Amino acid sequence: AQSVAQPEDQVNVAEGNPLTVKCTYSVSGNPYLFWYVQYPNRGLQFLLKYITGDNLVKGSYGFEAEFNKSQTSFHLKKPSALVSDSALYFCAVRDNQGGKLIFGQGTELSVKP
Amino acid sequence: EPEVTQTPSHQVTQMGQEVILRCVPISNHLYFYWYRQILGQKVEFLVSFYNNEISEKSEIFDDQFSVERPDGSNFTLKIRSTKLEDSAMYFCASSERGFGNEKLFFGSGTQLSVL
Repeated sequence: AQSVAQPEDQVNVAEGNPLTVKCTYSVSGNPYLFWYVQYPNRGLQFLLKYITGDNLVKGSYGFEAEFNKSQTSFHLKKPSALVSDSALYFCAVRDNQGGKLIFGQGTELSVKP
Repeated sequence: EPEVTQTPSHQVTQMGQEVILRCVPISNHLYFYWYRQILGQKVEFLVSFYNNEISEKSEIFDDQFSVERPDGSNFTLKIRSTKLEDSAMYFCASSERGFGNEKLFFGSGTQLSVL
């Protein structure tokens, strides 16, 4: 069965510092990996996705993610965090059979001034 | 950017009552989904829907749940007899295709509270 795991419930970063939100995956076949963000009282918003090819994927709001096949990871990164980046971040894998997204547990990112 | 819209944003109901959650997917999308998120927990898949029938459903989606696309634009989730444990945020999502690298578009959710 396909799955993703986010090992950290919470990540705390000072504004201006780089941030990393971790995700590891387990899939059969080619992985289609996604990051979504959820701001308070809002739905999930797409940030970026990995298809094939370039291991470094750039997305919305200055975020990027690095696909690492040997480590089965897809960590979300940003060079310089903003307070407004504070939100809940979900890693997800697309099910190759039925098309549904399978989400990780989510990581609460807190960026302090 | 096009949006998935959900109504109502909040729904309070008594245990045992029926509720219908409504969604308007993006107009040219063909695949529709319901997810839910119990407070503090992960987002869980409930059901996917394509070509007027259920494509896949999870263990959560038991006989108390049903989905319908009554008029070509709305996509509804009905819970026939609500239980306390149905209290959650319910998200509707849609996509143009049902596989591959295509992203899902999510609505803002309906917060269902069962008392």
